[in-house]
Order: sequence, then C-alpha cells, then structure tokens
Amino acid sequence: KAGVTQTPRYLIKTRGQQVTLSCSPISGHRSVSWYQQTPGQGLQFLFEYFSETQRNKGNFPGRFSGRQFSNSRSEMNVSTLELGDSALYLCASSPIQNTGELFFGEGSRLTVL
Amino acid sequence: AQRVTQPEKLLSVFKGAPVELKCNYSYSGSPELFWYVQYSRQRLQLLLRHISRESIKGFTADLNKGETSFHLKKPFAQEEDSAMYYCALKTSGGYQKVTFGTGTKLQVIP
Repeated sequence: KAGVTQTPRYLIKTRGQQVTLSCSPISGHRSVSWYQQTPGQGLQFLFEYFSETQRNKGNFPGRFSGRQFSNSRSEMNVSTLELGDSALYLCASSPIQNTGELFFGEGSRLTVL
Repeated sequence: AQRVTQPEKLLSVFKGAPVELKCNYSYSGSPELFWYVQYSRQRLQLLLRHISRESIKGFTADLNKGETSFHLKKPFAQEEDSAMYYCALKTSGGYQKVTFGTGTKLQVIP
C-alpha cells in the first residue's frame, strides 16, 4: 500500500497570505489527524477528521481550519499567515477511530516570510 | 488537560550501554501510551504501545500508573538506535486525540 502522501512538500508564503495543504491517507484509512511540528514545541495537535466530520480540535486559532472529503482525503487551510506559522505540518492516518496508531506522512514544510 | 513530558532533549550513550528514555504524563482518565520514533530522513513511525506489552528492536516500556511514567528502555544500545523518540498519550473515550511529548534525541556513540 502507498503511504500517507502530503502535498506540497515545501512552500514559501508571505505574511497575510493563506495556504492550503493536502493529505491523502493510506487506502482504507478513514481517520486523518493533523499536527504542527516545530523545534521548540514538538508536535502540536491541530485536528482530527473521521467520515468527513471534525471529531477533535486542538488549541489553535480559528485561522487554522480543515476538511475531509468522501474519499478520506483531507485538506488544511491557514489564513492570514503569521511568521509563527512557519513549521512542518504533518498528516497522519489510521484505519479506525481512537486507535492511537498513527501512520504519518513526510510533512509539508511551510516557511512564512 | 493531558500532558506528556520528556525531560531530556538529548541523550547520548555509548554503544552497548543501557538506554532509558524518560516519559511522564498527566491525565485524569485511563491513558494509552505509545512510543514513536523518527530515524534520520524517515517518517515518524510507531515503535510500541503499552497495551501490547511487546519488545520491538529490543526496546520495552512499562506503564507505571503510580508514577505516571512510561519510560523506554533497552539494555544494550546500538548505533542504529540513534533517532528522535516521542512519547505519546491517547485519551480514553470520545474521539481520538493523541498528545505528543517534545521528543528526545538519542545519540549512540560508537
């Protein structure tokens, strides 16, 4: 099976812009979680989707949003980018809900100038 | 709110020496604990979970509810163990939320 695929892998934006990141889970996986990874904070939970519904949300401002499509692919969007949003954004999928066993993608590295 | 603490950012040991990566957690419910590993230029991947009580690549971890700890141990470190290790906690009930610690970089010196 193909692993979790994230696009784009790298992107550079300027403050105030918005960005959309995409995640294709492993085939058959219906749960998708998003994490922000930074050197100082480690992995911070953004949100989790299952069957096109957001089931859980971390402590991030409303500028961070996401969605999941019927084929389980997911996107996350960050509006009005700030310098502090520079990070590696990781997507993880799992076959069922509430398993704790996550399969991670390689991440999308966002740089905000 | 749940929290996972990994007190060491970097742990350096010599090849053949024992390894213990510390992890403490705080959570009012019944937790499920995991260790994830990220080798250089590879994806973050699951190493082991406490409910399985398994040994993976020589690593074991025991959940100590009294001390709220889930330390990762290996009796004899190998160079290929050098990686970033993350302890993670899954909340019980409701919907999935996995909280990660800030990670410990293990460096095995030849």
